[in-house]
Parts: sequence; C-alpha cells; structure tokens
Amino acid sequence: SQKIEQNSEALNIQEGKTATLTCNYTNYSPAYLQWYRQDPGRGPVFLLLIRENEKEKRKERLKVTFDTTLKQSLFHITASQPADSATYLCALEGRSGATNKLIFGTGTLLAVQP
Amino acid sequence: KAGVTQTPRYLIKTRGQQVTLSCSPISGHRSVSWYQQTPGQGLQFLFEYFSETQRNKGNFPGRFSGRQFSNSRSEMNVSTLELGDSALYLCASSLNKHNEQFFGPGTRLTVL
Repeated sequence: SQKIEQNSEALNIQEGKTATLTCNYTNYSPAYLQWYRQDPGRGPVFLLLIRENEKEKRKERLKVTFDTTLKQSLFHITASQPADSATYLCALEGRSGATNKLIFGTGTLLAVQP
Repeated sequence: KAGVTQTPRYLIKTRGQQVTLSCSPISGHRSVSWYQQTPGQGLQFLFEYFSETQRNKGNFPGRFSGRQFSNSRSEMNVSTLELGDSALYLCASSLNKHNEQFFGPGTRLTVL
C-alpha cells in the first residue's frame, strides 16, 4: 500500500540555520507534491506545490525539491526563525482521474531555538 | 476573502449517536474535501465533493457520509458513533484538483 514517511523525530535547530525536512514515499507515483504547515489546534496551511516534472521550487525562504527517482522530497527553510516552529506535512496527489485526494505524511515537528 | 469556516468547533457525543458537521468553503471554490486527523493515523482523506457530486472517497466505513449543496457548502455525517471516531475533522476547499487546498480550523469531535 502507499506509504509516506517523514522524520518521525522532532527536528531541533538554532535560529538562523537551515532546516531540512524529508518526505519519502513508496508504492506511489505522485504527479504533484505539496507541503503544508500546521500549528497546534489549527488546520494546515499551504506552503508550496511542486509538479513531478519540476526539480525545485522556491518561495521566499522556502525551497522544495522533488526527486521521482529517489521517491523523495526535501523541504528547506533558510535563515530559520522561532516563528517557523510548527509541524510540517507533505502531501501527495495522483495524476489520473478527476480527483483532489491528498495523501498526507505524518508530519515533522520543527522547533527553532532562539 | 473569508476563509473556510467549520461549525461547530467542538462537539461531545456518546457512542451510538450520530453527528453532522458543516463546512463553508471560500467563495468561488467548488471542491470541498474532508479529512480526519488523529494522533495515531495522522490526516486521512474521507471524501471530496465537486459541484454537488462525490468525486472520490477514502477507506472509511459507510457510517461516514457527506453531501454538497448548490452553493458549495458541504456537510458530513457520522452515524452510530464509536469511540474511535474521536478526532479533528478538517474541511478543505480549492478551485479544482491539482491546486492548493485551504483548510478550515476543524471540528474537534469527542465520543464518550
């Protein structure tokens, strides 16, 4: 069955450093991959979407890569700030059919220490 | 533009009861998806509606159902509640497939 793995352990980094979060998947060939941020008690907030034919996407301090050979996406936050502390979720979407179904990973908790 | 709204925000029910949750999408969005979030299973897709039609359904029992109205507002219903149905139920709207999804704040359901 489809499986998405994200760093199960919390990621602790110092303010100003680059945070790198990993999303690995198996038994799936997604056409789109999305990253979301979720704060406690709130719904996820969309950050970035990358297509299977794109290697890299950037938005301000955020960068995401998508390697369909390795079946992996990396999510980078440069110059991290304490306000970046949250749970980050990757989500996969298939290519065929009329569907808007996202399959989510379990998320990685990022803690940025001042 | 107003965001996605969900009502109620919190709900406490007992086993065997049924519950109806409501979601109002962002104006102009025709796709509404529902997800269940629990600490053990994470975010799991329940179903998606587009223009009043269910387009996709996740692996949940038939006790979970939904519908969408002509104004794109959506409801989901859970009948014969079980303790394991306790979760955060999230609604998300988008313009169509392959677009970012905008999530509501969720409804926290507790089944006693």
